[in-house]
Order: sequence, then structure tokens, then C-alpha cells
Amino acid sequence: GIQVEQSPPDLILQEGANSTLRCNFSDSVNNLQWFHQNPWGQLINLFYIPSGTKQNGRLSATTVATERYSLLYISSSQTTDSGVYFCAVDPPFNNDMRFGAGTRLTVKP
Amino acid sequence: NAGVMQNPRHLVRRRGQEARLRCSPMKGHSHVYWYRQLPEEGLKFMVYLQKENIIDESGMPKERFSAEFPKEGPSILRIQQVVRGDSAAYFCASSADRDSYEQYFGPGTRLTVT
Repeated sequence: GIQVEQSPPDLILQEGANSTLRCNFSDSVNNLQWFHQNPWGQLINLFYIPSGTKQNGRLSATTVATERYSLLYISSSQTTDSGVYFCAVDPPFNNDMRFGAGTRLTVKP
Repeated sequence: NAGVMQNPRHLVRRRGQEARLRCSPMKGHSHVYWYRQLPEEGLKFMVYLQKENIIDESGMPKERFSAEFPKEGPSILRIQQVVRGDSAAYFCASSADRDSYEQYFGPGTRLTVT
């Protein structure tokens, strides 16, 4: 089945720093989503981005489907950005989303 | 417009008891997905349902687990004779249709088996 790899697994930043999270996937996909799981466990949709670039405030994402990767950019990070960021893909002919192992982000004040 | 609702948010069961987890999809959504997140891991797909139909249950354990999505009411994930290894967060997601792939997740139910 499709493999989804996220890097780095852990990231510690000082408040105000920028970061880039990466998601590589091993096969073509119909859909790619980025989620933020906050310290209380809630999953928050960040982007639905099977291809192209989107921006939402301090966050933006780019998916290059032909090269099978997606990037999540966080600028001017805040302590509330802490948590785990998951990339999930929806392979063709499948009914489920496959999640990566996540990047655990800690933003220190 | 309410998002995906799950209840209870926290559930404690003793070994051998039954656990029932409920999920109400977003208004207008007819596709429901259940995922399980074990501690310190990502989410793993369990089952995909439409109204009154199980479409794909390839991620469900073969025994003790069942799911339904009746014509009326929420989707139910049922775990019989729970064991400690069932302790996890169970997330439900919904989408408008199969061609609208974006899935919206509920807050999850945290099951603890004592």
C-alpha cells in the first residue's frame, strides 16, 4: 500500500521562528489533507490540497503531486501552534485516508 | 452549522464490557469513516459507511468490532468484550460524497479500558 512519510518527526522552535514540514507519499493520490492535532487531541483541518498552493493566515501549503510531496509552512510560530501535524492522503481506488506518523511541533515562548 | 459530533468524549469501560461510540456527521454529509489512534501513533482507518451500508471494513478487527450507520440516527461503532488494547482515541470523519474527498473530523472519543 501507499507509504506516507513525514519529516522531521520532532521539531522544537522558539516563538516567532518559521518552519517547513514535509510529507512524502509513494504513489499518486486523489486527495491530501493537513491536520493539526492540538495538545487536547482535537484534529483540526488545515488544508485540503491535492495540488497547488494555499494560504491561510500564517500557514500555507504546497503540494507537488507529480513529485509526490507536500510542504506545510508555518511562519511566525506561536505557542498555540504546538501539537502534532499530520499529513493524510487518499489513494485512488481506496476508501480511506492514510496518515503519516506526524511531526510533533513544540513552540517555546 | 455544527461540525461532526461524537459522544461520549470520554468513555471508561472495564475489561469484558461493551463500548458504544456515536458519531453524527456534518449536516448534508452521508459518508462516515471511523479511525483509531493508539497512543503516540497516527490515525488508522477502520471502516467506511454510507447510510445503511458498510462500504469498506478492511481496517476493522475481525472480532468484537462492528459498525453501523442506520437510515436515521448516528453512526455507531460497537466494541464488545473490550480489552486493554482497545484503549485508544476513536475518531469519526464525514464527507459530503465520495467524490468530495475532504473529510471533516469529529473531536474523538477517548476509550479507556481498565
